[in-house]
This record gives sequence, structure tokens and C-alpha cells, in this order.
Amino acid sequence: NAGVMQNPRHLVRRRGQEARLRCSPMKGHSHVYWYRQLPEEGLKFMVYLQKENIIDESGMPKERFSAEFPKEGPSILRIQQVVRGDSAAYFCASSPPPAITGNEQFFGPGTRLTVL
Amino acid sequence: AQTVTQSQPEMSVQEAETVTLSCTYDTSESNYYLFWYKQPPSRQMILVIRQEAYKQQNATENRFSVNFQKAAKSFSLKISDSQLGDTAMYFCAFMKHVMDSNYQLIWGAGTKLIIKP
Repeated sequence: NAGVMQNPRHLVRRRGQEARLRCSPMKGHSHVYWYRQLPEEGLKFMVYLQKENIIDESGMPKERFSAEFPKEGPSILRIQQVVRGDSAAYFCASSPPPAITGNEQFFGPGTRLTVL
Repeated sequence: AQTVTQSQPEMSVQEAETVTLSCTYDTSESNYYLFWYKQPPSRQMILVIRQEAYKQQNATENRFSVNFQKAAKSFSLKISDSQLGDTAMYFCAFMKHVMDSNYQLIWGAGTKLIIKP
């Protein structure tokens, strides 16, 4: 069973460009979380999605950021018109229904976004 | 609001020694989960150990064990017989139940652990 996949691992963008980060959850997992890690800090929750639904986006900036988890394909975190402050590591985590595992979240390797 | 505090930004010990990383948290919930994650230089987030609050017995995974003090809201990680491969950032995390199936991890700032040969 492959783990959580994220790509690209490293992404460099110039200010004003768009960044698209992809996350494929583990097989059988229907819950996806995105977290952001700024340098020298812990992770911060951004958004929680289930297939075709955004459940909680309370941690995501209202502007320029969006996320989706379509019926088919990976979850996408999209950042429009990137700024230097968006430079961070973005982690995706997936989990199966809570009743089975006690809510453990499995993490992908992260995408390191650098904005020049 | 739930918070997680790791008061040790960095620790350094000799190989084979025992080291304890501290973590305190704040919550009004009575049942919850706590986790320790390891982040080596590869930046992959790896689950080390987890504790369910309603279980009084401290969790143990090989050389890793926790000291869970629910009343004091303390959740420290003990690493016995430390190895060079244990060098990493260690994060304590609290699982917050928002509602229904929405569970979010609240993270501490991390402790950088260096194991010296």
C-alpha cells in the first residue's frame, strides 16, 4: 500500500505566478488535510476535504488560496499570485474514516515552495 | 482554544543516553489523542508514538515511551538508548475534534534533537 504521495517535492515560483500542489492520499483514505510549515515552526492547519467537498477551510487565507479534492484524481492546493511569504513546506495528510483507526493522519513528504 | 507548548527549542545528548522531550497542552476536552512526530532532515513527517487520553497506561514503542500526565496536561517523550538516526525535529501534536469527522492536529513549535557520536 503506497503512502501519501505529494508532487512536486520542490517548486520554485516567481512572485505573481501560480503554484499547484498535488496530493494523492493512501488507498482507501477519503479524508485529506493540508498543513503549512513556515521555517522554524510547527505545522498549521489549512483545510480539510473529503471527496468533492470542502469540510473546513478555516485555516486557509481567504484570498489567493483554494483547494479541491475531486471525485477522481489527487487533491490540489492552489495558490494564485504567490508572494514571498507563501514560501513554506506544504504537507498533505490523509486518514481513513475515524471509527476504524482512531483518527491517525498519515503524512506525505511535503512540497517545499520557494517564491523568488 | 487548544495550544501545544514545547519549551525546549534544542537538545543535545550523547549516543546511547536517554533523553526526555517535554510537551504541555491546554484543552477543555476530556477525550482526545496526543502524538509525537519526528521530522528528520528529509522533512518527512513520521509518527513516533500516540496516546489516547482515556487510556491511563503510557504508550510505548520500542525505545520510545511517553509520560502522560492528564491532570497536569503534560505529554513528554522519552527516548532510551539514543541513536544517531534519532537526530531530527520532534513535534508534539494534539488532535482537536472540531465536529463530526473533522479532526485537526494542533502542533507545538518543535524541539531539535541532536545525538552526538
